[in-house]
Amino acid sequence: DAGITQSPRHKVTETGTPVTLRCHQTENHRYMYWYRQDPGHGLRLIHYSYGVKDTDKGEVSDGYSVSRSKTEDFLLTLESATSSQTSVYFCAISERLGEKLFFGSGTQLSVL
Amino acid sequence: ELKVEQNPLFLSMQEGKNYTIYCNYSTTSDRLYWYRQDPGKSLESLFVLLSNGAVKQEGRLMASLDTKARLSTLHITAAVHDLSATYFCAVDIAQGAQKLVFGQGTRLTINP
Repeated sequence: DAGITQSPRHKVTETGTPVTLRCHQTENHRYMYWYRQDPGHGLRLIHYSYGVKDTDKGEVSDGYSVSRSKTEDFLLTLESATSSQTSVYFCAISERLGEKLFFGSGTQLSVL
Repeated sequence: ELKVEQNPLFLSMQEGKNYTIYCNYSTTSDRLYWYRQDPGKSLESLFVLLSNGAVKQEGRLMASLDTKARLSTLHITAAVHDLSATYFCAVDIAQGAQKLVFGQGTRLTINP
């Protein structure tokens, strides 16, 4: 998986609790992304980062925040989890614009 | 709002046959990506198409891009069972960033 580690791999949580997912890369790539995958929707971009402390919103950013304090780590936080955020979350990285994305193994999140 | 539509969404075919998956998108873009996903797994990059008329081939798969028609195709030649997977196309909608909008995916099943 191109030196990408997502943690945790699986998580079950309750509505209203905060949740943080971590993406760690060893490739020193500049760009990092968080996607969610739901049946019938393909993958949808939540947030992305183009450098340390530089982040921007994707198409489904409501209810999510991100932080990138180091090149290798990109954190996704659900401040108050809802059942609609039950999904598989994928982190991805790329070295340059226009190049392919490498995806992590995913985190299965269930919000009960 | 950008729409990326794949068809068919489900495809069952026999080994040895040829078939094409279509990816239509609704806005101007000259960067298109194809990914493969096996059940329960992450996404694997297949092709990056960066200009009108781009054609790339690897093994039994060939992808092409027509930016004027806003259409990409993924052609499978003489299908074999291990090509069974879900295939996604994704269109990059951003300049200066890499924001991919994915199609819904085409679930391909190849029967002996």
